Amino acid sequence: GAGVSQSPSNKVTEKGKDVELRCDPISGHTALYWYRQSLGQGLEFLIYFQGNSAPDKSGLPSDRFSAERTGGSVSTLTIQRTQQEDSAVYLCASSLVSSGGRYEQYFGPGTRLTVT
Amino acid sequence: GDSVTQMEGPVTLSEEAFLTINCTYTATGYPSLFWYVQYPGEGLQLLLKATKADDKGSNKGFEATYRKETTSFHLEKGSVQVSDSAVYFCALNGNQFYFGTGTSLTVIP
Repeated sequence: GAGVSQSPSNKVTEKGKDVELRCDPISGHTALYWYRQSLGQGLEFLIYFQGNSAPDKSGLPSDRFSAERTGGSVSTLTIQRTQQEDSAVYLCASSLVSSGGRYEQYFGPGTRLTVT
Repeated sequence: GDSVTQMEGPVTLSEEAFLTINCTYTATGYPSLFWYVQYPGEGLQLLLKATKADDKGSNKGFEATYRKETTSFHLEKGSVQVSDSAVYFCALNGNQFYFGTGTSLTVIP
């Protein structure tokens, strides 16, 4: 079946512009995560959606970052007034949910954002 | 809260050497544990997992055993290959995923 998809795959934007990154999770997956990965670095957690619960926004680095998940499916990560330090690969992942957390995450290919 | 602590890298080994990458965790309850791998220029993919204590996950010659008494999930491989060069991430999932910082492995011929 279809995996997690993200668009665009690459985005170059000028400093100060707003960008929107899209994630289509695997159908039926109620959990959705956004991460940021800078060059050669680990995963930086940004935000977590689970079903209809309030999202865990504890990883968002500033109020320029926001995310929505519409209808429990597609998610959009918005970065306002982009800065050069926002340049990174933005990864989306989705999973089923169970007690004990036995289901793995499936990652999308990422969006490479470059702020010039 | 829940967390994962992973061995710092980078790690450089010769081909056919034995590999251990340490991972310990802190969690309330009984999480599942995972190792993910990221090959150069690629996305993250699941390498193996274990869902309860004493379970052993294995794949592609890699193994990790869920040790509740030591809260560990160390990744091992008896004989690494050049193609194993990648970044390895330990992770846990109780009711939310937490990842370690990643360990870069380079295997030289």
